[in-house]
Amino acid sequence: SYVLTQPPSVSVAPGQTARITCGGNNIRTKSVHWYQQRPGQAPVLVVYDDNVRPSGIPERFSGSNSGNTATLTISRVEAGDEADYYCQVWDDSSDKVFGGGTKLTVL
Amino acid sequence: QVQLVQSGAEVKKPGASVKVSCKASGYTFTSFDISWVRQASGQGLEWMGWMNPDTGKTGYSQKFQGRLTITKSTPISTAHMELSSLSSEDTAVYYCARGGYNGYGASDYWGQGTLVTVSS
Repeated sequence: SYVLTQPPSVSVAPGQTARITCGGNNIRTKSVHWYQQRPGQAPVLVVYDDNVRPSGIPERFSGSNSGNTATLTISRVEAGDEADYYCQVWDDSSDKVFGGGTKLTVL
Repeated sequence: QVQLVQSGAEVKKPGASVKVSCKASGYTFTSFDISWVRQASGQGLEWMGWMNPDTGKTGYSQKFQGRLTITKSTPISTAHMELSSLSSEDTAVYYCARGGYNGYGASDYWGQGTLVTVSS
């Protein structure tokens, strides 16, 4: 089965840039989606198909995908960005797969 | 506006089954997959399965094969998730989510979640 690996936590000061990685074997060949989940709330899609922002998502959120790592980048981080972030792909052998999630802390 | 409204919290005994509903509105029900994802307390998201409401085609995580069934009631734009042979490890919040086609694609709208508690 296909495995996605995320760091458990990332910390960043307000106004700085946060980068959350998602590792997987040849992940560059897959479309990666990213979700934000605040405590007690349902997930929200923030980036899909590697680097596309849904309507209503700030331009500060961007994505990239290369080699064995996909990255969600959040520029000019705000306190409201503090949340858990999950990557997701579709794989022939595993169907839909989520990464383990990364807790973003805004210092 | 697109909305997915799920049925209320459930408490079940071990060995029982639970059925959670997800009513869609604000779009054509048959145009997008409905997926089911669960999350145990303090844990990450776990994908369970999907259904194409147009064709009825489904895909299930191997982990749930044999005890997960996803169905639909197209006239009332509602998807259902039934999980059988429950154990305490199935205690979690269950989400439905819209998006994709035949399993492929992101989920752009999510239900509010349904807490299922399995306890004797």
